[in-house]
Amino acid sequence: GAGVSQSPSNKVTEKGKDVELRCDPISGHTALYWYRQRLGQGLEFLIYFQGNSAPDKSGLPSDRFSAERTGESVSTLTIQRTQQEDSAVYLCASSKSRDSLYEQYFGPGTRLTVT
Amino acid sequence: QKEVEQDPGPLSVPEGAIVSLNCTYSNSAFQYFMWYRQYSRKGPELLMYTYSSGNKEDGRFTAQVDKSSKYISLFIRDSQPSDSATYLCAVLSGGYNKLIFGAGTRLAVHP
Repeated sequence: GAGVSQSPSNKVTEKGKDVELRCDPISGHTALYWYRQRLGQGLEFLIYFQGNSAPDKSGLPSDRFSAERTGESVSTLTIQRTQQEDSAVYLCASSKSRDSLYEQYFGPGTRLTVT
Repeated sequence: QKEVEQDPGPLSVPEGAIVSLNCTYSNSAFQYFMWYRQYSRKGPELLMYTYSSGNKEDGRFTAQVDKSSKYISLFIRDSQPSDSATYLCAVLSGGYNKLIFGAGTRLAVHP
């Protein structure tokens, strides 16, 4: 079956512009995560969606970052007024349920470059 | 202090070598320990996970957790050039709501 997909795969934007990144999780997976990976670094947790529960936004670095998820499907991560330090790969992952959060399936990521 | 520490390498070994990759963690409440493999310009993929202490083997890969010393290891036997990737250790947070990753170790296996 299809894995996690993300779009766009690459995005170059000017400082100050808004960007929207999209994630399509594996069908039937109730949990969805967004992570940020800076060059040569590990993954940094941003936000967690579980079913229809309120999302865990504790990892969002500033109020310029927001994310939405429609039911148990598509999610979008929005970065407003982008800054150069926002340049990174943004990874989305999904897992079957909250009981299997250790087993996350990742998309290929969106490489964001802010010039 | 970071919650999960991992030597970024790079680590370069000849084909056929035994590779040892390691992480340390700070919180004794962590119960799930994972190893992910990430090829260049791809998303990470789960290799193995271990619950609590002990060893787990899958083919050429063995994951080991020592909770007394808060130490996680991944051993790769008979390493192959196709094993060249970045290996990320991760723990499931005490609240069971997110993964905390190490920085990743870049491994190169040369023929």
